[in-house]
Order: sequence, then structure tokens, then C-alpha cells
Amino acid sequence: GAGVSQSPSNKVTEKGKDVELRCDPISGHTALYWYRQSLGQGLEFLIYFQGNSAPDKSGLPSDRFSAERTGGSVSTLTIQRTQQEDSAVYLCASSIGTGPEKLFFGSGTQLSVL
Amino acid sequence: RKEVEQDPGPFNVPEGATVAFNCTYSNSASQSFFWYRQDCRKEPKLLMSVYSSGNEDGRFTAQLNRASQYISLLIRDSKLSDSATYLCVVIGSSNTGKLIFGQGTTLQVKP
Repeated sequence: GAGVSQSPSNKVTEKGKDVELRCDPISGHTALYWYRQSLGQGLEFLIYFQGNSAPDKSGLPSDRFSAERTGGSVSTLTIQRTQQEDSAVYLCASSIGTGPEKLFFGSGTQLSVL
Repeated sequence: RKEVEQDPGPFNVPEGATVAFNCTYSNSASQSFFWYRQDCRKEPKLLMSVYSSGNEDGRFTAQLNRASQYISLLIRDSKLSDSATYLCVVIGSSNTGKLIFGQGTTLQVKP
């Protein structure tokens, strides 16, 4: 597709379960970002990829969170042993390269941990 | 102190009003600045970049004040469709690509 695609759009899970969130960036975009947004809050930076490497993982809240990117394209954000405070919208964005580039966001994954 | 701070509002203004938002940033070495717009339950979208010399796009004007470490967004002749949350975005000096978003300022334009 033409835009950033995220799946699933909604995910309801039980506390303690693992979840995987997927992001398919715009073709040719080398930079990929994960953010999360809690209700009524701003965007919290999680991790940034340039190609397949992650020069900045500083935003991952705990070791339960991990992300990878393969082939310079699709990225997966994994949350292990989910907790209720993990409930949020997880947004993925891509841009054409490093530097002050325009970000294109996906429509997000709404994660609800019961 | 947060790296990027905004007054969350909401700012309630009548149609046709002029409204301005400020955003302060803590890292004096920050290089690039943007305003994004986010509609309710939607993803953020780039509104405009903020250049050192200031820039204007129709009814929207963005300014940068490096000495005081803030950027501003001015909206003239507000429309109902301008109702949204406006997010201030800063890129750090290391150019790692990390974009830091403010909490956002909510604008509600009333008829």
C-alpha cells in the first residue's frame, strides 16, 4: 500500500500474555519509529530503526519490550508478560532517511490489557 | 523537566479568532523543529516545519526563538476545521533521528 500499515488495529489480551505488533513502512523508507500514546497523553518515544539497526532504544520502558526489523522493511514490537499499564495506542512511523524528515504515521494498534 | 513542554489547553476560541501556542524545549542544541496536527483518534500528521527565519503557510505562521528556547504557532482566522491537538516536535542535536513530541495543545474552535 501507499501508507504505513500496522496490524492488528486492535488487540485485547490478558495480563501476562505476550503480544506482537507489526509495522509495514512505506516502501523505500529507511527510518522507522515506534511510539506509544496513552489516552489523552502525548507520544512517548520507544525505539528508532535506521535500516535494520536500532541506534536509539532509549525509550523502551522495560526489558519486557523488544523490537526488531528485518530486511530494512517490516518491524515487530514484542511485549512480553503484558501488564495493564501497557494499554495504549502503539504508533509506527517511517521516514525516508535520517535527519529532519517528514514522518508518516500508521493508524496505530490499540492494545488493551485486561 | 520534560524535554518538550506545551500547555495542554484546551484553547476555546470563536471562529475567525487568532490564536497562538508556544512550546518550550530543554536542549539548547536541538536542531530541527516541527508542528504536527492530530485529530481525535487519528494519527499525527505534519503541519509545518519551523525554520530559524520563521515561516508562513496560509493562515499558519511558525516562529523559532533560540535564545528563549521556544517555538510558536500562530493561527489566523480560525476555522471549525482547525479544531485538533497541535503537537510540538523537536529533534536533538545528535541527529540520531529521535523525534521528541510534546504533550500537545488542544484547540477547539466554536461557531
